[in-house]
Amino acid sequence: NAGVTQTPKFRVLKTGQSMTLLCAQDMNHEYMYWYRQDPGMGLRLIHYSVGEGTTAKGEVPDGYNVSRLKKQNFLLGLESAAPSQTSVYFCASRLPSQGVRTGNYYEQYFGPGTRLTVT
Amino acid sequence: LAKTTQPISMDSYEGQEVNITCSHNNIATNDYITWYQQFPSQGPRFIIQGYKTKVTNEVASLFIPADRKSSTLSLPRVSLSDTAVYYCLVGDIDGTGFQKLVFGTGTRLLVSP
Repeated sequence: NAGVTQTPKFRVLKTGQSMTLLCAQDMNHEYMYWYRQDPGMGLRLIHYSVGEGTTAKGEVPDGYNVSRLKKQNFLLGLESAAPSQTSVYFCASRLPSQGVRTGNYYEQYFGPGTRLTVT
Repeated sequence: LAKTTQPISMDSYEGQEVNITCSHNNIATNDYITWYQQFPSQGPRFIIQGYKTKVTNEVASLFIPADRKSSTLSLPRVSLSDTAVYYCLVGDIDGTGFQKLVFGTGTRLLVSP
């Protein structure tokens, strides 16, 4: 059981280049999330998905696109990278719970992160 | 979204109890309080969640007063491996899965020998 994995771990892009970050989870979780974390800051939600074939915008979606063609995978794309997108990107997944919010209702499982530099 | 305020950093020694207080004056009725831990170069890890009074698990305790305008994460007998950034989040996940939880800048805890 690998949990949440992210590919690649590091990447350097030039302004205007495109790339796709892959997130994979083997816990059969319905919900998946993409965050970015800038130096010394907390995480900000980019996009999320509540199930295969669904995606929705988070707090900072501009400049990013996502796809969830398979339940276990959540892809984050940068069509035209900009220096402002230099950050560490984290993927997370969560098993939705019904009813009362007890126990670990808010527990998300995070991947190790992808460090992206745009020059 | 409820705004949270935490100390930027705290220092402690091995074996001591550490209490990190988070202020959230505009917490909404449906909001829960959640704490995460993050080590350098790793993703955050869930610690504990609560709504009111006290919650305890194998890792930590969470104390929430009646007015819910603040909360305190208590780590018993810390070790060097507890050195990390601790985030207090206040919010909810709505029926569509949207994460109304905001990660602030957190509290950087340094545990020394």
